[in-house]
Amino acid sequence: ETGVTQTPRHLVMGMTNKKSLKCEQHLGHNAMYWYKQSAKKPLELMFVYNFKEQTENNSVPSRFSPECPNSSHLFLHLHTLQPEDSALYLCASSQAVDRSKHTEAFFGQGTRLTVV
Amino acid sequence: QKEVEQDPGPLSVPEGAIVSLNCTYSNSAFQYFMWYRQYSRKGPELLMYTYSSGNKEDGRFTAQVDKSSKYISLFIRDSQPSDSATYLCAMTSSGTYKYIFGTGTRLKVLA
Repeated sequence: ETGVTQTPRHLVMGMTNKKSLKCEQHLGHNAMYWYKQSAKKPLELMFVYNFKEQTENNSVPSRFSPECPNSSHLFLHLHTLQPEDSALYLCASSQAVDRSKHTEAFFGQGTRLTVV
Repeated sequence: QKEVEQDPGPLSVPEGAIVSLNCTYSNSAFQYFMWYRQYSRKGPELLMYTYSSGNKEDGRFTAQVDKSSKYISLFIRDSQPSDSATYLCAMTSSGTYKYIFGTGTRLKVLA
């Protein structure tokens, strides 16, 4: 079992629905990430939070809205998605004191999202 | 040119073989290098983490970084069918929170 837990594991939603993905990390890390993984493409960074503050928004459409209420929890709110948004959404965490020092990122199991 | 290039495979080897997986990159600022293993329908699992150039060994796995050639490798000794998965390289540098990933190499170890 990983130290990063994502729920739900699978989600099917219509284009007019609103849903949320949840991520919780039990590693004491301060940085949390959302990545999108599509078939035959590299992982795409979506958002980064460090100490609850958003530090990166990688030109993600506004139909994806992140929320980080504390260093252990991260949400991705979804609304009016498109079929091409179907993918595996991965949450990760790391201990990053600041941009000058890095540690490895640990991933959750992902949420398999299908937009119909 | 992509920042990180990785052959997607699939790479098929017999059980017991030594496997070599590689990535090349273009950004000379990268200093931190990682290898992840991802089984089907699972999240990536960290295998190796190295800083700057050199080798690092952990059990059957050895990671090599050659910064002068902008080339990193992961070697798997005595490969097992359970090693069949997709292997992702990732890298980052100081001054950013972005980890840049390769597309992954699919490995099949045949019993």
